[in-house]
Amino acid sequence: GESVGLHLPTLSVQEGDNSIINCAYSNSASDYFIWYKQESGKGPQFIIDIRSNMDKRQGQRVTVLLNKTVKHLSLQIAATQPGDSAVYFCAENRDSGYALNFGKGTSLLVTP
Amino acid sequence: SQTIHQWPATLVQPVGSPLSLECTVEGTSNPNLYWYRQAAGRGLQLLFYSVGIGQISSEVPQNLSASRPQDRQFILSSKKLLLSDSGFYLCAWSVTGDQPQHFGDGTRLSIL
Repeated sequence: GESVGLHLPTLSVQEGDNSIINCAYSNSASDYFIWYKQESGKGPQFIIDIRSNMDKRQGQRVTVLLNKTVKHLSLQIAATQPGDSAVYFCAENRDSGYALNFGKGTSLLVTP
Repeated sequence: SQTIHQWPATLVQPVGSPLSLECTVEGTSNPNLYWYRQAAGRGLQLLFYSVGIGQISSEVPQNLSASRPQDRQFILSSKKLLLSDSGFYLCAWSVTGDQPQHFGDGTRLSIL
């Protein structure tokens, strides 16, 4: 079936380095994508979103890239900080338009 | 600004007991509402969503049910809990299906 998945379950980076978290999707009809950050014991927190009419979108220290040709989504975090340690999820809108499909998540660990 | 409240934060229930988790949203009207379950170290599984009062869509067959008695109130229920119902339950809201979903802080449910 169509699904959203992540390439790496865990990612370890040093403080100050840039982080890149990748996500592959299989539904070519998806036109809306979101990245979430989830800290332990808390609900997911919205980071940034992008629609299919865009290739790139920037926020504060974060950039989302969308490559529709290969159905790939990435989240770049600049100057990664210890507070960025969390699980990151990508999500795509579903055909019905009412709900999102979430990937399994990537755990980001920032080391000093 | 909009806020979402879930309670209780943690709950320990015996097998076979009933369940009622409540979620309320403030600061918006006619939101889409969602219930998710997250197993430890896993992604989010959509259980139910609602686009209006009294309207409930179920995603997976199970012994859980949802109700929306008021515009900004979403309730997750069970008549008899199973061990497999243990998990982290998250409520979320969005303006529409292709807008970011905003999550509550979740309820940690343990079945003994």
